[in-house]
Amino acid sequence: GENVEQHPSTLSVQEGDSAVIKCTYSDSASNYFPWYKQELGKRPQLIIDIRSNVGEKKDQRIAVTLNKTAKHFSLHITETQPEDSAVYFCAASGAGGSNYKLTFGKGTLLTVNP
Amino acid sequence: KAGVTQTPRYLIKTRGQQVTLSCSPISGHRSVSWYQQTPGQGLQFLFEYFSETQRNKGNFPGRFSGRQFSNSRSEMNVSTLELGDSALYLCASNPDNYNEQFFGPGTRLTVL
Repeated sequence: GENVEQHPSTLSVQEGDSAVIKCTYSDSASNYFPWYKQELGKRPQLIIDIRSNVGEKKDQRIAVTLNKTAKHFSLHITETQPEDSAVYFCAASGAGGSNYKLTFGKGTLLTVNP
Repeated sequence: KAGVTQTPRYLIKTRGQQVTLSCSPISGHRSVSWYQQTPGQGLQFLFEYFSETQRNKGNFPGRFSGRQFSNSRSEMNVSTLELGDSALYLCASNPDNYNEQFFGPGTRLTVL
């Protein structure tokens, strides 16, 4: 089955700096790659996603890039703010025709220091 | 539209008991997926239902089961509870033909 690796597991940055989280996936048939943000005690919230026919997608301070050849995708957050502090999860789906089965990475705890 | 709702929010059970959790998807969403979240294993897929049929299944033992009703509401059941079943159980719904999944607040299950 699909396997998603996520790095780093923890990331600490100063407010205003950029943060990058990287994920790799194992199944080349995966075609959908969402990123979720989960604050303590809250539900995971979809913040951005990308499909396999697109190489990059931006939404204000957040961007995601996808390299299908290398089977990795990354989340970029610019001008970080304290409210960006949370656990971020990457995920992949689509392998084996399972479009609605998300395989998640283990998560990255991002801390933005004021 | 109202978001995904889950009941109950918190449950405490003892080993050997069984439990039923409920999930109401966003209005109009017919697909409901269930995930288990633990500190050690992270978020793991349990199963997905669409139009009352299980469409995808994860790698969990048969003690974990689910069903979906004609109004798209879904329930999951865990029988013969074990300590390791303590987790946050999340359900998510997505619109037809779209991958985006929207999560509910979860049910925190504690097994003593």
